[in-house]
Amino acid sequence: EAGVTQFPSHSVIEKGQTVTLRCDPISGHDNLYWYRRVMGKEIKFLLHFVKESKQDESGMPNNRFLAERTGGTYSTLKVQPAELEDSGVYFCASSPGWGQGTDTQYFGPGTRLTVL
Amino acid sequence: RKEVEQDPGPFNVPEGATVAFNCTYSNSASQSFFWYRQDCRKEPKLLMSVYSSGNEDGRFTAQLNRASQYISLLIRDSKLSDSATYLCVVILGSWAAGNKLTFGGGTRVLVKP
Repeated sequence: EAGVTQFPSHSVIEKGQTVTLRCDPISGHDNLYWYRRVMGKEIKFLLHFVKESKQDESGMPNNRFLAERTGGTYSTLKVQPAELEDSGVYFCASSPGWGQGTDTQYFGPGTRLTVL
Repeated sequence: RKEVEQDPGPFNVPEGATVAFNCTYSNSASQSFFWYRQDCRKEPKLLMSVYSSGNEDGRFTAQLNRASQYISLLIRDSKLSDSATYLCVVILGSWAAGNKLTFGGGTRVLVKP
């Protein structure tokens, strides 16, 4: 069974540009999460989808970040316009629906974003 | 105070030795606890969940102390391949609070020959 995949693996952009990150969760997983690790800090939660609905977006840093999960399958995270402090590794994770081992989240390999 | 705190290490461990380290969490209502392992420039991978009664998986033993709000991880007979960063992860608060994971900063373990 394929794991969580993310694209691209690396992205280098200039301040002010737009970048879109993509996450494909494990097939059939209702829950999809975005997390971020900035240099020297711990991994922090950004938001949580249940199917196509945003369940919790309390970790989104500001309105330059827009996440979508149309159709409840893959998700995109767009940063527009990017700032220097957005640099870091963006992880996506997925987990099954309620009552099916919901707590276990499986992580993708991450997208390393560098904003110059 | 951070919500989940860990000693960053590194813990330098001779091969074959035992190493143990703790993690403290801030929210006494927390229900779910995990240890994840992260290798350099890789994604976190679930090592084990931590249950109230404590649990063991091969050479790894995890304990939960609710009264003092900490969890521990013990690695016996350390292997070179155990070298990694071990992340303490908590779902803070009650079940109703949702499933977002809160991470500690990680404890780095280096196993040497």
